[in-house]
Amino acid sequence: DAGVIQSPRHEVTEMGQEVTLRCKPISGHDYLFWYRQTMMRGLELLIYFNNNVPIDDSGMPEDRFSAKMPNASFSTLKIQPSEPRDSAVYFCASSLVQAVGNTIYFGEGSWLTVV
Amino acid sequence: QQPVQSPQAVILREGEDAVINCSSSKALYSVHWYRQKHGEAPVFLMILLKGGEQKGHEKISASFNEKKQQSSLYLTASQLSYSGTYFCGTEKLKADSWGKLQFGAGTQVVVTP
Repeated sequence: DAGVIQSPRHEVTEMGQEVTLRCKPISGHDYLFWYRQTMMRGLELLIYFNNNVPIDDSGMPEDRFSAKMPNASFSTLKIQPSEPRDSAVYFCASSLVQAVGNTIYFGEGSWLTVV
Repeated sequence: QQPVQSPQAVILREGEDAVINCSSSKALYSVHWYRQKHGEAPVFLMILLKGGEQKGHEKISASFNEKKQQSSLYLTASQLSYSGTYFCGTEKLKADSWGKLQFGAGTQVVVTP
C-alpha cells in the first residue's frame, strides 16, 4: 500500500506569498495530523482531524495558518501570507486508532523555505 | 504538555548500550517511539500501552512505568544503523486526547565504528 503522500516535497517562496501544502493519507485511516519540525521547536502538532473533522487546532501558530480536510483522502495546510519564520519541514501523518493503540505513519514531508 | 526526553544526545561505539528516557507530567495511555534519520520522516519503532508489556524491535526494547509516567528505550549492542534522532510521543489518558500524539524534543544518537 502507498504511504502518506505529500506535495510539494520542496517549496521556496517569497515572503507574503500564499503556500498550500497537500496530503493524501493512507487509505482507511481515520486520523490525519499536520506537524511542523524545526531545529528550535522540534516536532510540533499543528492540527489534527478525525473522520475529516478538525478536533484540535490549538497548535496552529496564527490566523495565517489554516487547514482543511474536504474528504477522507485529501487535506491541505495553507499559509497566507507566508513569513520567513514559517520555514520548516511540514509533515502530514495518518493513523487508524484501534483498541491496541494507534500507529502514526508520517509522509516524507514538505520542506518549506520562505525568503 | 510535551514529554521530556533525556539525554539530548549520546555517542556510542558499535556494540555499546544506551538508555533514552521519556517522562510526562500527565497520566498517559500510550507511549510511542520513533527514529528519524537526517532528511527523512520519523519511522515508527514501537508502541507501549498502559498496562501492556515491554516491547522489542530487533535489539531495541522499551518499557513503560505507569506509576512514574515514564518510558525508557534500550539500545542494546548498538549497530551503525541505530544512528539517528529518537523521539518519544505520548498520548494522554483523556477522552479529548484520544489519538493525539505529542512528541519530545528528541535524543540524537551517534554510533561510531
